[in-house]
Amino acid sequence: SAVISQKPSRDICQRGTSLTIQCQVDSQVTMMFWYRQQPGQSLTLIATANQGSEATYESGFVIDKFPISRPNLTFSTLTVSNMSPEDSSIYLCSALRMGRTEAFFGQGTRLTVV
Amino acid sequence: GESVGLHLPTLSVQEGDNSIINCAYSNSASDYFIWYKQESGKGPQFIIDIRSNMDKRQGQRVTVLLNKTVKHLSLQIAATQPGDSAVYFCAEQDDKIIFGKGTRLHILP
Repeated sequence: SAVISQKPSRDICQRGTSLTIQCQVDSQVTMMFWYRQQPGQSLTLIATANQGSEATYESGFVIDKFPISRPNLTFSTLTVSNMSPEDSSIYLCSALRMGRTEAFFGQGTRLTVV
Repeated sequence: GESVGLHLPTLSVQEGDNSIINCAYSNSASDYFIWYKQESGKGPQFIIDIRSNMDKRQGQRVTVLLNKTVKHLSLQIAATQPGDSAVYFCAEQDDKIIFGKGTRLHILP
């Protein structure tokens, strides 16, 4: 099965700084997504990462706060900008493989903002 | 807006018994549903899926039932084992995947 690697796996950051999370897939995928998961809660979709164009953001999420890149079919980054303690969460990358309908997920990045 | 939700936040089941996890969805146009399992510290893992033209699908020890009349989805796990302890999410997928609230399955010895 395909594998998603996320880096870093966890980080503790100062408020006001930014963190970029990387997502690398070991095979070509059609779609890539970024989710946020608060402790003990479900996953909330932040945006769909589009190759070579701007990401498609869900309601409540904006590009200035969560800039996303996807330069090729196997790699994407999510930046959490100007962080505050409310951004403390787990951020997960997900992808859909070509010819498959079910998505697979990375292990997540546990972010703590102090 | 449209959402997918779950009835029970926590379910405790005796080891060896069958588990039934329920999910209600609100978008009657939904075509594809997935159940995911998320163990502590990991990302969600695909368990089983079902399309709207089916009402039942079986996998290894798991069965998904879809009742489109009442917009209800359930996951049945046969002979529940300690390794089944996790949070289970139903999800609705078209061009993106929307997750329900999740049910934590706790296995009693």
